Amino acid sequence: DIQMTQSPYSLSASVGDRVTITCRASRSISTYLNWYQQKPGRAPDLLIYTESNLQSGVPSRFSGSGSGIDFTLTISSLQPEDIATYYCQQSFSLPYTFGQGTKLEI
Amino acid sequence: QVHLQESGPGLVKPSETLSLTCTVSGGSMSNYYWSWIRQPPGKGLEWIGYIYYSGNTDYNPSLKSRVTISVETSKNQFYLQVTSVTAADTAVYYCARVGGGYLPPLDYWGQGILVTVSS
Repeated sequence: DIQMTQSPYSLSASVGDRVTITCRASRSISTYLNWYQQKPGRAPDLLIYTESNLQSGVPSRFSGSGSGIDFTLTISSLQPEDIATYYCQQSFSLPYTFGQGTKLEI
Repeated sequence: QVHLQESGPGLVKPSETLSLTCTVSGGSMSNYYWSWIRQPPGKGLEWIGYIYYSGNTDYNPSLKSRVTISVETSKNQFYLQVTSVTAADTAVYYCARVGGGYLPPLDYWGQGILVTVSS
């Protein structure tokens, strides 16, 4: 299985801050890395797929980058509604695996 | 807009079988894979397995011996069974669609259903 490791585990930031979350794969996954946002009591929502493609309806302040084993999710200007837990997931090989999550707080 | 909805018992006794249904609306099941994912309370996400609309399956090796996923496209439903459950199987269970394209993400998710394993 490919292990996905996110950092930090939790993050406190202010409205307007630039926020970066990283995800590292235990071996190369090319660009087949996806990011999800999960708000409390809700199902995860797809934010970014295949490293840098924004899902329809996702604000442009979200962006993704990376390839191989190291990936980054960036929020350019943090908004109150961005408070959530963020998960990376690799779709390169089965079984699909997720990072442990990064909890973002204001 | 594709919509998925999980249904089934919220309480299952230890050693028994957990059975859930996912009903798909707003789109066809054809040409897609359909997946189950679970999340223990306060923890992260675990992929359980998926099924192609035609019936081909693949499972997480960590659960493969206890899991069966099946599909009934005429009803726009797919199903999850987990046998011999223990407290470790207590989780919110989500169904989701595997998107189109090459090595796609999970693009539509159900709201989830909490299943508690307890006597």
